[in-house]
Amino acid sequence: DQQVKQNSPSLSVQEGRISILNCDYTNSMFDYFLWYKKYPAEGPTFLISISSIKDKNEDGRFTVFLNKSAKHLSLHIVPSQPGDSAVYFCAVIGGSNYKLTFGKGTLLTVNP
Amino acid sequence: DTAVSQTPKYLVTQMGNDKSIKCEQNLGHDTMYWYKQDSKKFLKIMFSYNNKELIINETVPNRFSPKSPDKAHLNLHINSLELGDSAVYFCASSLDYRGLWGYTFGSGTRLTVV
Repeated sequence: DQQVKQNSPSLSVQEGRISILNCDYTNSMFDYFLWYKKYPAEGPTFLISISSIKDKNEDGRFTVFLNKSAKHLSLHIVPSQPGDSAVYFCAVIGGSNYKLTFGKGTLLTVNP
Repeated sequence: DTAVSQTPKYLVTQMGNDKSIKCEQNLGHDTMYWYKQDSKKFLKIMFSYNNKELIINETVPNRFSPKSPDKAHLNLHINSLELGDSAVYFCASSLDYRGLWGYTFGSGTRLTVV
């Protein structure tokens, strides 16, 4: 059972436009949400996070939105740059052992 | 200086062999992890150690045995390798066992069992 779902395997965006990556989760008890970015042949890199007590967190060009009632979070990148092209993983932390569970990832391609 | 380093980067071996993957972090983090990325690209937790103590042990065959000699090292030993063990294995570390400030991952070890 997938507890974290990223339903779009890929997304293509023009440079300068907004990229919106979406993620749904199943367990309302999850209390911390993170986004990771991964380039080929490298490990995932932590990007941005949000706690369940907030609905928005911003860091430069990256903003994460959390809608707890819909069990949905999204990552907005604006403006998108070609260097943002990578696989983006949504991840959640939950449980007494703070286990980090990843979604399957969305491949973002930003075209020049 | 690489923050989380794993060796080897590539490993090709025959079924039935025993192999080890080593991981070291120089960040002073308390917690280390092993994740497996299978052919479907899912990243799944295998083990987690906090200050050398095992705190997460997912449903992993007991052919896989982690060993943490100190909090800067977490090695993964695999006995009797099977074709299905082929995957990319990532080591990671975090400041503490909660991981709320994010994990730092190594660049992965691609294991191919033939």
